[in-house]
Amino acid sequence: ETGVTQTPRHLVMGMTNKKSLKCEQHLGHNAMYWYKQSAKKPLELMFVYNFKEQTENNSVPSRFSPECPNSSHLFLHLHTLQPEDSALYLCASSQPPGGGYNEQFFGPGTRLTVL
Amino acid sequence: QKEVEQNSGPLSVPEGAIASLNCTYSDRGSQSFFWYRQYSGKSPELIMFIYSNGDKEDGRFTAQLNKASQYVSLLIRDSQPSDSATYLCAVNEGYSTLTFGKGTMLLVSP
Repeated sequence: ETGVTQTPRHLVMGMTNKKSLKCEQHLGHNAMYWYKQSAKKPLELMFVYNFKEQTENNSVPSRFSPECPNSSHLFLHLHTLQPEDSALYLCASSQPPGGGYNEQFFGPGTRLTVL
Repeated sequence: QKEVEQNSGPLSVPEGAIASLNCTYSDRGSQSFFWYRQYSGKSPELIMFIYSNGDKEDGRFTAQLNKASQYVSLLIRDSQPSDSATYLCAVNEGYSTLTFGKGTMLLVSP
């Protein structure tokens, strides 16, 4: 596997379900990100992890819970979601923010539908 | 609040023409600038980045940066139907994460 991978690619869940999204990067990066992309909206940064430590949480509701066990893996745990949470969830990785060089590489995304 | 503005389009150009995509940003401290291409239903793909004022060319793509005007653009020469996608501009202040624009949809007609 190369680059950034995400599983599952598609997920349909009810509002009472609990599910997790997984991201893995094979680029040797130390920063990982979760983004939400809804129709006709810009990419919304959700969480940033830098060397496994969460460095940014953009006022994301607590029904989204991230986990970063190491620099290569990132999870997004989901529970009691709302229909408006239906979106494309993208994981990205980069070298740590700083120094002006921050090219981010994205995974293929998980298309989430909340019924 | 940092803002990155792009015309949502669609920008329609005939095959073989030059497509010009524009982006303005609000934060004067921004240091690096990125262009991503996103096909419908797919994730963004990095195609160009630029850090210094002036032009940077890579194949059919040219990125142009004018920090005084807080303006960055992407030119696509000899546009092909396969270039039809949404182009996202992203800006980084150096010690911060990226701020993305909403993207410009480009349609290249055969």
